[in-house]
Amino acid sequence: DADVTQTPRNRITKTGKRIMLECSQTKGHDRMYWYRQDPGLGLRLIYYSFDVKDINKGEISDGYSVSRQAQAKFSLSLESAIPNQTALYFCATLGQGAKNTGELFFGEGSRLTVL
Amino acid sequence: QKEVEQDPGPLSVPEGAIVSLNCTYSNSAFQYFMWYRQYSRKGPELLMYTYSSGNKEDGRFTAQVDKSSKYISLFIRDSQPSDSATYLCAGRHTGGFKTIFGAGTRLFVKA
Repeated sequence: DADVTQTPRNRITKTGKRIMLECSQTKGHDRMYWYRQDPGLGLRLIYYSFDVKDINKGEISDGYSVSRQAQAKFSLSLESAIPNQTALYFCATLGQGAKNTGELFFGEGSRLTVL
Repeated sequence: QKEVEQDPGPLSVPEGAIVSLNCTYSNSAFQYFMWYRQYSRKGPELLMYTYSSGNKEDGRFTAQVDKSSKYISLFIRDSQPSDSATYLCAGRHTGGFKTIFGAGTRLFVKA
């Protein structure tokens, strides 16, 4: 099983709908992140959390909200989806990792299309 | 200006070629520099990292950082079709918990 699991993997929705993307991890890391990836723009940080009570905005948080339900779970919500939120979304955890460098461990991504 | 600039490519090379991937950055506080590799329909995975300036080698891969010019490079020797992926450079400052990524360069290695 993957260490960082995202659901759903693919979702098509309509403008104005509420969408929730879920992330769970088995790595035991405290720090979790939501990024979105767009062609030519790379990965941009939406929100990050250091623990259940510590939520922080990233560079592109407008239109998004998050919930850290437990150490292992971090969900991203789009309250009213719009077409320019069509993107690939990644959840990640931050750990020391084998390379001892503050490595990000990513899920496999959730592809969201807003029509 | 983005904190990390990277040409998105695509870059297409024949098998066996030496590949050079490059980024520039603007944040002088960055001390950690990373290269992540992302295969199609997968999440990125850490490939190489460097602390401050200098070179680091791992098999066919060499990561290089020049802090005086704010330049980050990744060299791939004897490139293989399995190296075909998107390569993302990234930076982070000491004690920071936000990793800033470049746009990613899509690499194709043709057999």
